[in-house]
Amino acid sequence: AQSVSQHNHHVILSEAASLELGCNYSYGGTVNLFWYVQYPGQHLQLLLKYFSGDPLVKGIKGFEAEFIKSKFSFNLRKPSVQWSDTAEYFCAVNALGGSQGNLIFGKGTKLSVKP
Amino acid sequence: EAQVTQNPRYLITVTGKKLTVTCSQNMNHEYMSWYRQDPGLGLRQIYYSMNVEVTDKGDVPEGYKVSRKEKRNFPLILESPSPNQTSLYFCASMARTGPGYGYTFGSGTRLTVV
Repeated sequence: AQSVSQHNHHVILSEAASLELGCNYSYGGTVNLFWYVQYPGQHLQLLLKYFSGDPLVKGIKGFEAEFIKSKFSFNLRKPSVQWSDTAEYFCAVNALGGSQGNLIFGKGTKLSVKP
Repeated sequence: EAQVTQNPRYLITVTGKKLTVTCSQNMNHEYMSWYRQDPGLGLRQIYYSMNVEVTDKGDVPEGYKVSRKEKRNFPLILESPSPNQTSLYFCASMARTGPGYGYTFGSGTRLTVV
């Protein structure tokens, strides 16, 4: 079965620090990959996605992620975080060739940014 | 405005009293799905539907039912709710023309079963 691992449960950073959140998935075939953000009390919003082409994808609010197929990883990065980035971040995988409606989420990483 | 609408936003009920959480999308999406979100467990899929009259179990289907009689609606039914179904529920829909497009999520339903 497919699974998604997010390495950090809670990350605390000061403003202007750089961010990298890890995400690994287990599936040997072709995948679509996503990062979602959930601000406190809100629903999930798509940050960025990868499904083909350049493995370095850019999303909204200055976030980017790199797909490294050999490592089954899709880490999220931001060079300089802001207090408004405080949220929970979810990595998700959609394995193609199987049930195409099945989006599997990691357990999430809470990011707290200190002003 | 393209959106997924869930109702109600908040619900407190008693054990065993049947309830339905509605979900409607206005984007003509084929795929719809229900997730529950619990602290430390992330989002877990309950059921999903690839099209009208086509539904399938996700990771945690026990205690839930769904139906997909129309493309736009995908209600979640709890026939006999129990306290372990206290959770935050999200409905989502996705276009079939590109699985990579990603789901659009509703605003969530916070359910408490006492």
